[in-house]
Amino acid sequence: DGGITQSPKYLFRKEGQNVTLSCEQNLNHDAMYWYRQDPGQGLRLIYYSQIVNDFQKGDIAEGYSVSREKKESFPLTVTSAQKNPTAFYLCASSGSGRSSYEQYFGPGTRLTVT
Amino acid sequence: LAKTTQPISMDSYEGQEVNITCSHNNIATNDYITWYQQFPSQGPRFIIQGYKTKVTNEVASLFIPADRKSSTLSLPRVSLSDTAVYYCLVGDPPYSSASKIIFGSGTRLSIRP
Repeated sequence: DGGITQSPKYLFRKEGQNVTLSCEQNLNHDAMYWYRQDPGQGLRLIYYSQIVNDFQKGDIAEGYSVSREKKESFPLTVTSAQKNPTAFYLCASSGSGRSSYEQYFGPGTRLTVT
Repeated sequence: LAKTTQPISMDSYEGQEVNITCSHNNIATNDYITWYQQFPSQGPRFIIQGYKTKVTNEVASLFIPADRKSSTLSLPRVSLSDTAVYYCLVGDPPYSSASKIIFGSGTRLSIRP
């Protein structure tokens, strides 16, 4: 049963704490993405990884960090430097060739920082 | 960059055909147009993708004029379950740069009985 998993679905943290959001895919996809979505808004790219051990910052990467040590895993760390971290976070992946046009999204993690 | 513009919201009734247009004046020669559907608190889901003219699948049609500066997603005979946000994404994956991955604000479609 192939797909993308994100955990946890809901996450609560105190201000000043770092938190890591998990994203795993078993689709054998090369590319992976992290997006942030605020209420009533569209998706904004945080980080993009085209292949293992490579990633690029999106427009809103400040206060976030990622790693891509394995093809199937792309964890996102929300650091204390992120000024407004409460949001819905979505991870996605896409394949190669013709299948690169379709991004497969996970169910998302809703992070609340108080 | 192929920035996209869509209507913020649209309303329709069950059984009607709904057409949502996306403008992308700066589309590049190699760019494709992809549409996604998103329900509340879920990740977006791929609907359809095309390059030019018309593409049809089991859920929607995509019309792209010759100049490719816009595209229209057509949903035939909508039902209440089609109430969602629809996004168009223009680009040429696999993306060489993160700056080329731009989702617009989407169109919030509301279907009434």
